[in-house]
Amino acid sequence: EVQLVESGGGLVQPGGSLRLSCAASGFTFRNYRMNWVRQAPGKGLVWVSRINTDGSTATYADSVKGRFTISRDNAKNTLYLQMNSLRAEDTAAYYCALLSGTQGFDIWGQGTMVTVSS
Amino acid sequence: QSVLTQPPSASGTPGQRVTISCSGSSSNIGSHTVNWYQQLPGTAPKLLIYSNSQRPSGVPDRFSGSKSGTSASLAISGLQSEDEADYYCTAWDDGLDGRVFGGGTKLTVL
Repeated sequence: EVQLVESGGGLVQPGGSLRLSCAASGFTFRNYRMNWVRQAPGKGLVWVSRINTDGSTATYADSVKGRFTISRDNAKNTLYLQMNSLRAEDTAAYYCALLSGTQGFDIWGQGTMVTVSS
Repeated sequence: QSVLTQPPSASGTPGQRVTISCSGSSSNIGSHTVNWYQQLPGTAPKLLIYSNSQRPSGVPDRFSGSKSGTSASLAISGLQSEDEADYYCTAWDDGLDGRVFGGGTKLTVL
């Protein structure tokens, strides 16, 4: 079965850090660019970051640039998001996602909730 | 606000045809293909349309997409109660060097 399973979310104080993981299975993980997308409670989808297939290139939304780091371990079929200097506005469900290009192959995880609060 | 502009809400009665618009610019929709997602409450988004007008297998042909210039639209014909959901458009943006989403449209089936 093709799936993505996120973990690592939770409650963290402002200024704190958290690392999210996303385990991939059922497809050749190393062949695809991967993304993190977040959704604040009751709000819309917001793209956070993307990493290329070998992990050498990453891009970020301005709102997280310099604070978040995306990485991957193709041997472990796992995507990561290291989140530092967390703010209240980072509170959201974080989705790991393989976003469709021209082939229609598109996969989302179930999401992991991150709450930044004192 | 979002880089791609969608109406916050839309509605229709069962059997009707509804269209949701998505307006962007030359750096996103004008240069790249558009995907559409459906999100039911409490669930992850589901791909409805990719490459402007292509449907993944399993998506009913009641759903169709189109693009013209810097705008795109999603049409749902033969509206059903289970179509009640949030709908999002998305495209890559060269200026931001990132993917952008519309703010989402909440579809209500009356």
